[in-house]
Amino acid sequence: DTEVTQTPKHLVMGMTNKKSLKCEQHMGHRAMYWYKQKAKKPPELMFVYSYEKLSINESVPSRFSPECPNSSLLNLHLHALQPEDSALYLCASSQDESRDYGYTFGSGTRLTVV
Amino acid sequence: GNSVTQMEGPVTLSEEAFLTINCTYTATGYPSLFWYVQYPGEGLQLLLKATKADDKGSNKGFEATYRKETTSFHLEKGSVQVSDSAVYFCAPRYNQGGKLIFGQGTELSVKP
Repeated sequence: DTEVTQTPKHLVMGMTNKKSLKCEQHMGHRAMYWYKQKAKKPPELMFVYSYEKLSINESVPSRFSPECPNSSLLNLHLHALQPEDSALYLCASSQDESRDYGYTFGSGTRLTVV
Repeated sequence: GNSVTQMEGPVTLSEEAFLTINCTYTATGYPSLFWYVQYPGEGLQLLLKATKADDKGSNKGFEATYRKETTSFHLEKGSVQVSDSAVYFCAPRYNQGGKLIFGQGTELSVKP
């Protein structure tokens, strides 16, 4: 298995809703990432988990809450989002945090906040 | 801080034309270098990589050579196809924190 699987593929939520994005990989990768991508822009790093511990939080608002229940799973819990949070949310994984390994990306969750 | 600069797009080419997308990175540290491709409506896919000076990464007819003296990692393809239409991102990865740093992306459109 050489994939990162993200669910759901599309999500529409209201500003008062609570929802979660899910990411799964079975490649034995020990680093996992959440990115946010707006149209025609590069991905922006949000969070990094290394060996199931949060190692980087890029000053992301608290309405985004990551969770890493085990080495294969990564969740992003969403609460009280704003319309400007609408974007493509990408999950990625890599062997570890050393520089020689590239990331494997999922196909993303396209989030629309109404 | 570390950064990467890509040539601006969009780039429009005819099928079978030669492609070059320029990429330069800051020389702080000794990064590994990656090219990613994003097809419309999809996530990013690793296209090729190089981890040390003078290494050449290649995949699907695309090539890029790690040039330490010019801090560059230009992407080339000898004959593009319509199916190569996508956005291409250059991304160095430094040891400090191990984060990929993405360039702004270059949109390529190939016309038949």
